Amino acid sequence: EAGVTQSPTHLIKTRGQQATLRCSPISGHTSVYWYQQALGLGLQFLLWYDEGEERNRGNFPPRFSGRQFPNYSSELNVNALELEDSALYLCASSLPGDSSGANVLTFGAGSRLTVL
Amino acid sequence: AQSVTQLGSHVSVSEGALVLLRCNYSSSVPPYLFWYVQYPNQGLQLLLKYTSAATLVKGINGFEAEFKKSETSFHLTKPSAHMSDAAEYFCAVSAHSGYSTLTFGKGTMLLVSP
Repeated sequence: EAGVTQSPTHLIKTRGQQATLRCSPISGHTSVYWYQQALGLGLQFLLWYDEGEERNRGNFPPRFSGRQFPNYSSELNVNALELEDSALYLCASSLPGDSSGANVLTFGAGSRLTVL
Repeated sequence: AQSVTQLGSHVSVSEGALVLLRCNYSSSVPPYLFWYVQYPNQGLQLLLKYTSAATLVKGINGFEAEFKKSETSFHLTKPSAHMSDAAEYFCAVSAHSGYSTLTFGKGTMLLVSP
């Protein structure tokens, strides 16, 4: 069974540009989550998509946005890049089900974004 | 809102020694609690989770954690460290409802020396 796949593995951009990161969940998983892992800040929750809908959003500015496609894959867009956006962006997926919070997340290896 | 605090950004042990990684949570109601591990250049992998069944939870690779409500703790232990255990460990918490998401601690890097 293929795991959560993310692309690209590495991405280098300059300030002000836009970055698009992509994620394919495990087959059968309908929820996709995005986390930012910046040096010294741990993992910060960005976005949660389920069945194409945004279910929850972390404390990030609107220039961080995303969407989920009918095949449950997802993309994360970061507009007007700033130096502090440099981080590892992790995507995770989980099975469909309740919203109880007990869902186990399976993570991809991440996309490392470097903003120069 | 729930949160977790991991005590110690780095923990060093010798191979064969006891591993103890500390995690304390803050939540108005007993939450769901998780431990994840991240090996270099990889994503996070679930070690174990607590969902209000048994308070002592056994996970993969010989790890276990005990939920102690009175201490609001969920410390991770392993009786005997192996070199392959060297990685970063994250404690995480989520609430029981309302499309709750996982909130992670800042992580503890486990260093294992021969």
